[in-house]
Amino acid sequence: EDKVVQSPLSLVVHEGDTVTLNCSYEVTNFRSLLWYKQEKKAPTFLFMLTSSGIEKKSGRLSSILDKKELFSILNITATQTGDSAVYLCAVEDSNYQLIWGAGTKLIIKP
Amino acid sequence: SAVISQKPSRDICQRGTSLTIQCQVDSQVTMMFWYRQQPGQSLTLIATANQGSEATYESGFVIDKFPISRPNLTFSTLTVSNMSPEDSSIYLCSVESGDTQYFGPGTRLTVL
Repeated sequence: EDKVVQSPLSLVVHEGDTVTLNCSYEVTNFRSLLWYKQEKKAPTFLFMLTSSGIEKKSGRLSSILDKKELFSILNITATQTGDSAVYLCAVEDSNYQLIWGAGTKLIIKP
Repeated sequence: SAVISQKPSRDICQRGTSLTIQCQVDSQVTMMFWYRQQPGQSLTLIATANQGSEATYESGFVIDKFPISRPNLTFSTLTVSNMSPEDSSIYLCSVESGDTQYFGPGTRLTVL
């Protein structure tokens, strides 16, 4: 059965810290891996990763995919209170079905 | 936790027709949500569906275009009516259980 596992489930850090969020997957026909940030009801798209070893970067956020070891990480450097959110990882299979992780709840303390 | 299934997983439809998407949850939940997502884009909330009451639609979405049913605590349907190519999207069902939100696998709709 396809599954996506995120860790940790929750994380509390102080402003300025760097955090690494993990997403591992077992999906039969992998197509892409997606990261989202959810603050309110509608998750905001962050990254789509399809190729192994190529880092995607947007400001203080970056992500990389390892298709051999079947995982991805999302890094946030110099965290700010506005980074507090649930970060969701989803894997899209070849049928365009999304398999979702449970999310990591990130709390940034001032 | 909550496990969500959606039917159909994908469909190709003709302009002017309607499609009803089903969402089934393996546990009773109060709040269910319907989203739309263009590939590689953020999710857009269409409406919130609570059992026993009319769905609450977000700005830009109307009941005539996206009628929703919520007959019980484990099931909901979203109909995309009078479809046009602009309705081509991924439609996602989501539920809240405890303090966690769970998402379904999505229904990929293509309108020709």
